[in-house]
Amino acid sequence: DIVLTQTPLSLSVTPGQPASISCTSSQSLLHSDGKTYLYWYLQKPGQPPQLLLSEVFVRFSGVSDRFRGSGSGTDFTLKISRVEAEDVGVYYCMQSIRLITFGQGTRLEIK
Amino acid sequence: QLQLRESGPGLVKPSETLFLTCSVSGGSLDKKSPYWAWIRQSPGKGLEWIGTVTYNGSTFYDQSLRSRVTMSVDASKREFSLRLISVAAADTAVYYCARHPAADAFDVWGQGTTVTVSS
Repeated sequence: DIVLTQTPLSLSVTPGQPASISCTSSQSLLHSDGKTYLYWYLQKPGQPPQLLLSEVFVRFSGVSDRFRGSGSGTDFTLKISRVEAEDVGVYYCMQSIRLITFGQGTRLEIK
Repeated sequence: QLQLRESGPGLVKPSETLFLTCSVSGGSLDKKSPYWAWIRQSPGKGLEWIGTVTYNGSTFYDQSLRSRVTMSVDASKREFSLRLISVAAADTAVYYCARHPAADAFDVWGQGTTVTVSS
């Protein structure tokens, strides 16, 4: 199984400040088709997860441009340029190059 | 607008079989939306993909659950199902159904249904 490791596991951010979450994969997520099968989700309290980014950096419909994804191979980062109260929840990375696995999650709270 | 809704028993006894159904509205299970999945989340834990079923019945399962899981689809009824045998306390979780259009990202999720395994 591909293991995804997220850091940090939790972070507390002042509104308006940036936040960054890392996701490291035990294997490369770059497929021979040229795509990198890494995704980011946010699970807000009491809700199912919602898709933020596909294939590392492609924002899903309606997702704020404050969310940016980067990285390649095995190392990826989700950055929130200016954290807002509505960004509170648990962020997960996910891979689908070989079956599907999720990272353990990073909890974001507001200071 | 595509919506998914999970249904099934909230309580299952240990060693019994769990059966859940996901009803799809506002869309179809067809070549345009071919992949449908079950994901679960144990209390206080992260997300675990259980498996994926295609509109024509092909299946892909997580390796750790493969021996106990069966997924099926009834496209005419716009629903797909999860069968998990020999359940134990570790199977207590919120079970979500979701769509992943190209067998990659899950873009539409149900609200989830809570399943408790207890005698």
